[in-house]
Amino acid sequence: DTGVSQDPRHKITKRGQNVTFRCDPISEHNRLYWYRQTLGQGPEFLTYFQNEAQLEKSRLLSDRFSAERPKGSFSTLEIQRTEQGDSAMYLCASSRDRLQETQYFGPGTRLLVL
Amino acid sequence: RKEVEQDPGPFNVPEGATVAFNCTYSNSASQSFFWYRQDCRKEPKLLMSVYSSGNEDGRFTAQLNRASQYISLLIRDSKLSDSATYLCVVNINTGNQFYFGTGTSLTVIP
Repeated sequence: DTGVSQDPRHKITKRGQNVTFRCDPISEHNRLYWYRQTLGQGPEFLTYFQNEAQLEKSRLLSDRFSAERPKGSFSTLEIQRTEQGDSAMYLCASSRDRLQETQYFGPGTRLLVL
Repeated sequence: RKEVEQDPGPFNVPEGATVAFNCTYSNSASQSFFWYRQDCRKEPKLLMSVYSSGNEDGRFTAQLNRASQYISLLIRDSKLSDSATYLCVVNINTGNQFYFGTGTSLTVIP
């Protein structure tokens, strides 16, 4: 399967703990996006990478959130000092670097903060 | 005001019906438009891009009205398998931020 993969698929943590999620994009895709989705809402943009450069960050991305894509391939999203409000599905998507290019989403990581 | 607004529904329609969804966007500089489909507890998947001239893919027709800043999706001859949430997506700065609507829920009833 050469689609976007995410790990883990589910994560339960206690408030105050740190969590890290991984996304492996489709191999030839140099754009990578992170989104957050809560029940009844559409995905909300968090951040965007072009290769290893983080070019856009949403104001939703507080200082407890950090994302990296060190070699321009896989990416990690870390949430420090998790809060109950961080409970959501975290989706990763990738695309080629072309106009109107389709984004392909991974299956997401579902986070529950107790 | 939200960048993208959709009627969340739910829309419950019988098999074979025609159903239409609309979506409005607030930024006139929006450049790219898409409809995605999301099944329950699954990731969004591209249904179709929306082009200025309108486009059709089988039973699905998408249209863009730049003057009124809305896009539409028409589904003809609804199938049970069309039951899903349909997400309207707008891209303002090419390659950068994509804005999703809240989604419109469709249930096709036998």
